[in-house]
Amino acid sequence: AQSVTQLDSQVPVFEEAPVELRCNYSSSVSVYLFWYVQYPNQGLQLLLKYLSGSTLVKGINGFEAEFNKSQTSFHLRKPSVHISDTAEYFCAVSDLQGAQKLVFGQGTRLTINP
Amino acid sequence: DGGITQSPKYLFRKEGQNVTLSCEQNLNHDAMYWYRQDPGQGLRLIYYSQIVNDFQKGDIAEGYSVSREKKESFPLTVTSAQKNPTAFYLCASLGRLIGNTIYFGEGSWLTVV
Repeated sequence: AQSVTQLDSQVPVFEEAPVELRCNYSSSVSVYLFWYVQYPNQGLQLLLKYLSGSTLVKGINGFEAEFNKSQTSFHLRKPSVHISDTAEYFCAVSDLQGAQKLVFGQGTRLTINP
Repeated sequence: DGGITQSPKYLFRKEGQNVTLSCEQNLNHDAMYWYRQDPGQGLRLIYYSQIVNDFQKGDIAEGYSVSREKKESFPLTVTSAQKNPTAFYLCASLGRLIGNTIYFGEGSWLTVV
């Protein structure tokens, strides 16, 4: 079984500052890793994913994440945030075979202050 | 446009009533999922289906039922046995041919009054 821990429930930052949202996972098998973003009262939108290959993954809206197998982490970063990045961010893992069910972290609420 | 359509967006239910949430996808995806989201929490898996006429329980299936009679449709029924049904419900489907990505619908809010 897999589990995901998002280390911060809320992250406030000022506009144009850098941000890092932390995610650690636990699994006895290899997994795929995902970051999703959720705007108020909407579904989830995929930001980026790691399936294999390069451990630095670039996504939409200027976000990137680095897969670190030894630390079982998949932290999300953006060098300069904008007001429009205010949202809930979810880290998730899925197994490689079978149903590929997503297991989610609790979410991190990112608030951008002007 | 291709995508996942959930309806209704907002639904109110009286205690003791069953209610069905619709989920339709035109992405030709084989696998479909239902997740529940409570405020300030992550998503929890209710049911999933990998092929037509087959579905499996997720982590919190009690009080819910599903059917998968057509590839494009995966309705969720919230029964009166669900003790705390007020939540945001999200339907999703899996695209294996495009990097094994799970795509989500816009969600349905269910409130028990």
